[in-house]
Amino acid sequence: DTAVSQTPKYLVTQMGNDKSIKCEQNLGHDTMYWYKQDSKKFLKIMFSYNNKELIINETVPNRFSPKSPDKAHLNLHINSLELGDSAVYFCASSQDRHNEQFFGPGTRLTVL
Amino acid sequence: AQSVTQLDSQVPVFEEAPVELRCNYSSSVSVYLFWYVQYPNQGLQLLLKYLSGSTLVKGINGFEAEFNKSQTSFHLRKPSVHISDTAEYFCAVTPPTSGTYKYIFGTGTRLKVLA
Repeated sequence: DTAVSQTPKYLVTQMGNDKSIKCEQNLGHDTMYWYKQDSKKFLKIMFSYNNKELIINETVPNRFSPKSPDKAHLNLHINSLELGDSAVYFCASSQDRHNEQFFGPGTRLTVL
Repeated sequence: AQSVTQLDSQVPVFEEAPVELRCNYSSSVSVYLFWYVQYPNQGLQLLLKYLSGSTLVKGINGFEAEFNKSQTSFHLRKPSVHISDTAEYFCAVTPPTSGTYKYIFGTGTRLKVLA
């Protein structure tokens, strides 16, 4: 059983398009996150939700919009994709905000 | 506010040699500390964590780390590495209580194990 799953695993698209990445966790955790990892492996937190409530919203272009329909899901929608959005996006979850995080396998986004 | 510094971006080491990956943190309050490993093309997974108690923490795959409050460090060690340990390693810090919440990851250290 996959604890944190993301779809799709790979996403190749043209500049200007809109795309979504889905994330689901079956661990019963209250908190979920989105991270962006660049080509140098630097991990940057983008958003965090706790019980469907947005608790972290880092300096991210407003083209990025998270949506949490329930505690087990946190999706990421990106409008008007740009070349600089190319990266690996990771979803993660944790029991609470101060505990270990469980990561999904990542979604490699390539914007052409 | 907390911060974490991983002093080495890359560490090459020969197979069966010992390795130490360094992590220093800065915080005005007590912290929880974590080490994560990321194998190629995978997500991060927890190696070990320090919450309280014994300052020597043992994790998976033969790794251990020592919390040193006076030096604000949490260095990761393994006495004998394998080729399969080649990966990116991240140190992370978070305060144990709510308030100004921040879960901070370091910039990562790439461990390259050579045959």
